[in-house]
Amino acid sequence: EAQVTQNPRYLITVTGKKLTVTCSQNMNHEYMSWYRQDPGLGLRQIYYSMNVEVTDKGDVPEGYKVSRKEKRNFPLILESPSPNQTSLYFCASSRGSPGEPQHFGDGTRLSIL
Amino acid sequence: LAKTTQPISMDSYEGQEVNITCSHNNIATNDYITWYQQFPSQGPRFIIQGYKTKVTNEVASLFIPADRKSSTLSLPRVSLSDTAVYYCLVVRWAGNMLTFGGGTRLMVKP
Repeated sequence: EAQVTQNPRYLITVTGKKLTVTCSQNMNHEYMSWYRQDPGLGLRQIYYSMNVEVTDKGDVPEGYKVSRKEKRNFPLILESPSPNQTSLYFCASSRGSPGEPQHFGDGTRLSIL
Repeated sequence: LAKTTQPISMDSYEGQEVNITCSHNNIATNDYITWYQQFPSQGPRFIIQGYKTKVTNEVASLFIPADRKSSTLSLPRVSLSDTAVYYCLVVRWAGNMLTFGGGTRLMVKP
């Protein structure tokens, strides 16, 4: 089954403790992206990747890192999480560009205390 | 990319046809119109995409007038399970990013 898998689905942690949210897709997609969703602000793009080893900032990249060492994986790293990063996070992928239909994961709800 | 404007919310009843209109006055020649659906606590799901005139699939139809400054998503005979947020996006095929606006919250009532 074609899917984008995120882990963990839920995480409660404390300020400053490094964490990684993994994202993996099994569709051999070139393009991958991370979004955060907050009430009243909609979905905002954090980082995206057009291909392996190619990443770039989205609208709200501060406080986040990403890497794309393999085509299928695109982890989101919070080196020193802060409470304002409490949010619902989605990973997405598409075949070649964001213009093509994007497949989204089920989301990761992060709470930073 | 063109900014989109769509109603914040809409109500409908089961069995009715629902039309959600999106305005995108500054759409460029190489931009496409795309609609996504999102249920609570789930990621958005692609519904339909078009460039001009009319596109239809098993879920919805998309109507785009000749000037492409607006588009209308049509959902035939909605059911309770169509209650969701619907996002209209203008996307550049060879671009880098997607920009989601606020979406339209559709409530389908029995």
